[in-house]
Amino acid sequence: AQKITQTQPGMFVQEKEAVTLDCTYDTSDQSYGLFWYKQPSSGEMIFLIYQGSYDEQNATEGRYSLNFQKARKSANLVISASQLGDSAMYFCAMSPNTGFQKLVFGTGTRLLVSP
Amino acid sequence: DTEVTQTPKHLVMGMTNKKSLKCEQHMGHRAMYWYKQKAKKPPELMFVYSYEKLSINESVPSRFSPECPNSSLLNLHLHALQPEDSALYLCASSQGTGGTGANVLTFGAGSRLTVL
Repeated sequence: AQKITQTQPGMFVQEKEAVTLDCTYDTSDQSYGLFWYKQPSSGEMIFLIYQGSYDEQNATEGRYSLNFQKARKSANLVISASQLGDSAMYFCAMSPNTGFQKLVFGTGTRLLVSP
Repeated sequence: DTEVTQTPKHLVMGMTNKKSLKCEQHMGHRAMYWYKQKAKKPPELMFVYSYEKLSINESVPSRFSPECPNSSLLNLHLHALQPEDSALYLCASSQGTGGTGANVLTFGAGSRLTVL
């Protein structure tokens, strides 16, 4: 069974600073995918970034980067130059690479960006 | 703007009502999903349709009945719900279901359901 752990219920960051949201996972699969989604108060789940377990380079998408440490089973999200619009709930998720049908989500981290 | 459209955004229904949630996507995706999200919890998978066929049912009670009339549409029919079924229902779609970055799920904004 797969399990995702997000130990930070809430994080605060000042505008323009960088912030790291932690995510650790547990799986016996050799091949899997890791994802981060953002959920504003409106409810929509917005895809941010994806990392395949066999990808050697850390994924980056604009201001988002995924710090993937396979041996430590961690997939932390780094947001650079935080903006007020980054205030939201952030979910880490994983799925076996045999298929992304069954996404398993962590409990989420609420990020608040202050001016 | 989200490319997965869900209607209605809000729905209030009694326990004896029959209602439906609708989801539409025009990205040519061949897999569609229903997730349920209770307040302050992560989303949980309910159903997956792949090429218009139900491929996964996560032991969801029969008072929830999914339907995929075509590759662009996904419905969730609701009947005899309980107050504990009140939640945000999220629809998602993906190009396929294989394990590559091309098949990342795109979610809609959700339908917030309240059962009285």
